Amino acid sequence: NAGVTQTPKFRVLKTGQSMTLLCAQDMNHEYMYWYRQDPGMGLRLIHYSVGEGTTAKGEVPDGYNVSRLKKQNFLLGLESAAPSQTSVYFCASSSGQVTYGYTFGSGTRLTVV
Amino acid sequence: AQSVAQPEDQVNVAEGNPLTVKCTYSVSGNPYLFWYVQYPNRGLQFLLKYITGDNLVKGSYGFEAEFNKSQTSFHLKKPSALVSDSALYFCAVILPGEISNFGNEKLTFGPGTRLSIIP
Repeated sequence: NAGVTQTPKFRVLKTGQSMTLLCAQDMNHEYMYWYRQDPGMGLRLIHYSVGEGTTAKGEVPDGYNVSRLKKQNFLLGLESAAPSQTSVYFCASSSGQVTYGYTFGSGTRLTVV
Repeated sequence: AQSVAQPEDQVNVAEGNPLTVKCTYSVSGNPYLFWYVQYPNRGLQFLLKYITGDNLVKGSYGFEAEFNKSQTSFHLKKPSALVSDSALYFCAVILPGEISNFGNEKLTFGPGTRLSIIP
């Protein structure tokens, strides 16, 4: 099925550890986004990309890095995890006209202890 | 300042009754407005949008929303609730300052409202 796939689905990290979340889409979308979801806060944009090789900061970029080496993949990295990064992370993609709507992945639940 | 607000954390409705999930925005100009739904352990799904034109927009699963510029609201409605409508609902906006011809507008989400339909 076409869509957005996120791996892993769950992860527990110790403070200070690093990890990479992978987002892959097979819809040939130009635009990709990483959001974090926290209770009562809605979704907040971490980083986004408007095309292969490009990245930009969103609302809450600190502590995260991203890369878009291939059009279909958007990686989110945590270099030194902190408990404040405990959250559910969602990747989304769009064709470039956001008024057509985003396609979201099913999320990654990350716990930092 | 929050651009989009959902004043109710939780809404409970009896099955078969009409439902309303409220959304207000606090920006000047004409934003683009959206509703998304999130079922348990799933990503968000697009329900409907208002860009321009008729203030009443219809979307998926029998939902509709009315854009009210004077009240800066975009409430989500359904005439008869189903138990399967139980989910987390997010209102979202593209701020007027971000609307462009480049196709790179970003969505700003509200905090979400949990809708529970009681059998």
